[in-house]
Amino acid sequence: DTAVSQTPKYLVTQMGNDKSIKCEQNLGHDTMYWYKQDSKKFLKIMFSYNNKELIINETVPNRFSPKSPDKAHLNLHINSLELGDSAVYFCASSRTGGRNEQYFGPGTRLTVT
Amino acid sequence: GDSVTQMEGPVTLSEEAFLTINCTYTATGYPSLFWYVQYPGEGLQLLLKATKADDKGSNKGFEATYRKETTSFHLEKGSVQVSDSAVYFCALSGPAGNNNDMRFGAGTRLTVKP
Repeated sequence: DTAVSQTPKYLVTQMGNDKSIKCEQNLGHDTMYWYKQDSKKFLKIMFSYNNKELIINETVPNRFSPKSPDKAHLNLHINSLELGDSAVYFCASSRTGGRNEQYFGPGTRLTVT
Repeated sequence: GDSVTQMEGPVTLSEEAFLTINCTYTATGYPSLFWYVQYPGEGLQLLLKATKADDKGSNKGFEATYRKETTSFHLEKGSVQVSDSAVYFCALSGPAGNNNDMRFGAGTRLTVKP
């Protein structure tokens, strides 16, 4: 059983389009995250959700919006895609509270042409 | 704020060589410390962790000891294999109240040659 899953694994689209990436976790965790990993492997936290409440929102453009229909899902919507959005996006989840490890999905490689 | 600094790569070793990847941290309070590994084309996987000073985390032949006096959590393995080729991330997570914020280092790419 996959603990954290993401779809699609690859996404190729043109500038200006709107796209979504889905994430689901079956670990019973209360907190989920989205990260962006650039070509140099640097990880940047974008969002985290705890019981449907946004608790971290780093300085990402408002073209990016997380949507959580329930605590097992955290989808990422991206409007008006730009070339600089090309990256690998990872979903993760953890138990709520400090010092807990996070469990990562396999990643979605987004390419904007 | 809390942060993690790890040695820059890439690191290239021959099979059976000894591995050390340095990691130091800055944090208020007493965080938990982690090493994650990312194999090509995959997501990050937890490799090992330590939750308090002097704890030693270990897994798959890798070890790291939480050193409060030197604020370090260096990753070591006595004999690396080709299959250990990956990117390794050091990370910390603070106590409750820090909104589950996980701070990652920049990653160190390890290549092991036969």
